[in-house]
Amino acid sequence: AQSVTQLDSHVSVSEGTPVLLRCNYSSSYSPSLFWYVQHPNKGLQLLLKYTSAATLVKGINGFEAEFKKSETSFHLTKPSAHMSDAAEYFCVVRVNTGTASKLTFGTGTRLQVTL
Amino acid sequence: DAGITQSPRHKVTETGTPVTLRCHQTENHRYMYWYRQDPGHGLRLIHYSYGVKDTDKGEVSDGYSVSRSKTEDFLLTLESATSSQTSVYFCAVATSGGLKADTQYFGPGTRLTVL
Repeated sequence: AQSVTQLDSHVSVSEGTPVLLRCNYSSSYSPSLFWYVQHPNKGLQLLLKYTSAATLVKGINGFEAEFKKSETSFHLTKPSAHMSDAAEYFCVVRVNTGTASKLTFGTGTRLQVTL
Repeated sequence: DAGITQSPRHKVTETGTPVTLRCHQTENHRYMYWYRQDPGHGLRLIHYSYGVKDTDKGEVSDGYSVSRSKTEDFLLTLESATSSQTSVYFCAVATSGGLKADTQYFGPGTRLTVL
């Protein structure tokens, strides 16, 4: 079975400092991995995705993630946090079945950005 | 936003009453999904559809049924609502699935409270 583990339920950073949100995955196959962001009382927005092309993936709003097979990790980073980055972030692995693809979500990391 | 709307956006109901949530999309996506979001669980798949009248169960399908009579609408029904079904429900769509799965895009969500 495929799964993801988000290692921190809550991360707090100061505005202008780097962001690191950690995610480890478990997969029997070469996985497709995603990061989604959810702002308060909003739906989920795709930040970036890895689908077996380049291991360093760039997303929206300055975020990027690096797929490391040897470490089974897909950590999300941003060089400089902005107040608008405060949200909940979900690491997701996709399982492709015969009829559809199914997403398995991590439990989420809430990012707090302080002045 | 992938042209997805959900209705109602908020609903309060009583235990034992039937409830139907609607997901409507305007971009002719073949695949549609229903998830529920609960604290500490991320999002979990309830049911999905891979075409008109073609549906299948997800990991938390007990107590839920779905129908898809036309491409643009995917209905989620709680036949007899229980307090454990209090949650935020998200619809998602994708153009392709299976081995060539595409990205899933999410609607704004429906907050359901069962008293």
